[in-house]
Amino acid sequence: GAGVSQSPRYKVAKRGQDVALRCDPISGHVSLFWYQQALGQGPEFLTYFQNEAQLDKSGLPSDRFFAERPEGSVSTLKIQRTQQEDSAVYLCASSLGLYSYEQYFGPGTRLTVT
Amino acid sequence: QKEVEQNSGPLSVPEGAIASLNCTYSDRGSQSFFWYRQYSGKSPELIMFIYSNGDKEDGRFTAQLNKASQYVSLLIRDSQPSDSATYLCAVKGNEKLTFGTGTRLTIIP
Repeated sequence: GAGVSQSPRYKVAKRGQDVALRCDPISGHVSLFWYQQALGQGPEFLTYFQNEAQLDKSGLPSDRFFAERPEGSVSTLKIQRTQQEDSAVYLCASSLGLYSYEQYFGPGTRLTVT
Repeated sequence: QKEVEQNSGPLSVPEGAIASLNCTYSDRGSQSFFWYRQYSGKSPELIMFIYSNGDKEDGRFTAQLNKASQYVSLLIRDSQPSDSATYLCAVKGNEKLTFGTGTRLTIIP
C-alpha cells in the first residue's frame, strides 16, 4: 500500500478486556513509532522500533502496554486489562530510518473503553 | 512547564490574510522542528520541517526558527478555508517527536 495502515479503525472494549492494535508501515520503512492522542491534545510518544528492535519504550504508561515488531515490519500494540483512561486514538507512524526527518502517520485506531 | 508550548486558540483569520502560528520549546539542545496539520478526525500530516535558524519557504507556507529564543513559527500566506485545521508543532529528540497541544485555526470566508 502507499501509506501506513492501521486496524481496526475503531475498537470498543469493556473495562478489563485485552485489545491488540495493528500497524502496517510503509514498505521499506525501518523505523516505526506508536503515539497516543487524547481528545484535544497532541500525540504523545509511546514507543519506537528500528527494524525488530524496540529502542525506546519510555512512553508506555504502564506495564499493561506492550508492543512488538517481530519481523521488522508489522507491529502490534497490546493493551491488557483496559481501563477507561486508555480511551484515545492510537497513532502509528513510520519513517525511512535514522536521520530521516519525516514520520508518516497512519489513520489511527480510536479505542473506547466502556 | 511543558516541553513544547502552543497557544491552543482558536485563531480566526480572514480568507486571504496571513495566519501566524507560534511555538516555544524548552530543550535548548533540540535540533529539528516540525509542523503538522491535523483535520478533525484525521491523522497528522507533515507540512514542513526546519533545522537551521532562519526561514524556510514552501509555497504558501514559511517556517521560521530562532534557536536562541527557542521559538518556531509557521506563516500561512493567502489563507484558504481549506487551511482550517489544528496545527501541531513538534520537536524531535532521540528519534521521537514531542508535540504541543496544537493551535486550532479557522479561516473565515
